[in-house]
Amino acid sequence: KAGVTQTPRYLIKTRGQQVTLSCSPISGHRSVSWYQQTPGQGLQFLFEYFSETQRNKGNFPGRFSGRQFSNSRSEMNVSTLELGDSALYLCASSLIGGAMGTQYFGPGTRLLVL
Amino acid sequence: GESVGLHLPTLSVQEGDNSIINCAYSNSASDYFIWYKQESGKGPQFIIDIRSNMDKRQGQRVTVLLNKTVKHLSLQIAATQPGDSAVYFCAETYNNAGNMLTFGGGTRLMVKP
Repeated sequence: KAGVTQTPRYLIKTRGQQVTLSCSPISGHRSVSWYQQTPGQGLQFLFEYFSETQRNKGNFPGRFSGRQFSNSRSEMNVSTLELGDSALYLCASSLIGGAMGTQYFGPGTRLLVL
Repeated sequence: GESVGLHLPTLSVQEGDNSIINCAYSNSASDYFIWYKQESGKGPQFIIDIRSNMDKRQGQRVTVLLNKTVKHLSLQIAATQPGDSAVYFCAETYNNAGNMLTFGGGTRLMVKP
C-alpha cells in the first residue's frame, strides 16, 4: 500500500506570496492532519480534516487554511507569506478521525520564503 | 513534551548497546502516547504507541514505558544498530483532541559503529 504523498517536495517563494501544498493520504484513510516543523518551534499541529470537515485547529494565524476533498486528499494554503513561514510542512493520515488512531506521516514539503 | 528548540539533546551509544530515550509530557489528561523516529530528509515514522491504561508495551527491539505519576515516557531500544541513528520524538494526545498530537522537542540518537 502506498504511503502518504506530498507535493511539491520543495518550494521557494517570496514574502507576500501565497502557496498551496497538497497531501494524498494512504488509501482508505479519511483523516488528514497538517504539522509545521521548524528548528525553533519543533513540530506543531496546524489542523485536522476528517470527512471534508475541519475537526481541530492549532494556534496559527488565519493566513493558514486548509481543506479536504471527497477523496480525502487535502490541501493547505498559506497566504501573505512571511519569512517565519519557512519550514517543513508535514501531512499525516489516519484511518479514523478520532483520537488514538495511528498517524502516518508523509515526507513533507520544504518551504523556503525569501 | 517541551520543545528544546535548536539544541536537541543527543544520546550517543555504541552499536550493540541498549538505548534509553526519555520524554516528559505536559498534559495530565493525555491518554495516548506515541514514539516517532525521524531520519534526515524524511517525515516522522511511527515506532510504537501506548495507551494510558498500560505502563509497558513491547515491540520488535523496542519497549515503551509509561509512568503517569511523574508524567514520564521512555523508549528503550535493544541492541542499537547504526540504522537507529535518527531524531526520536514522543507525542501525546487525549481522547477529545482528535488526531491533534503534541510533540516533544526530540532527542538525537547517534550510534557509533
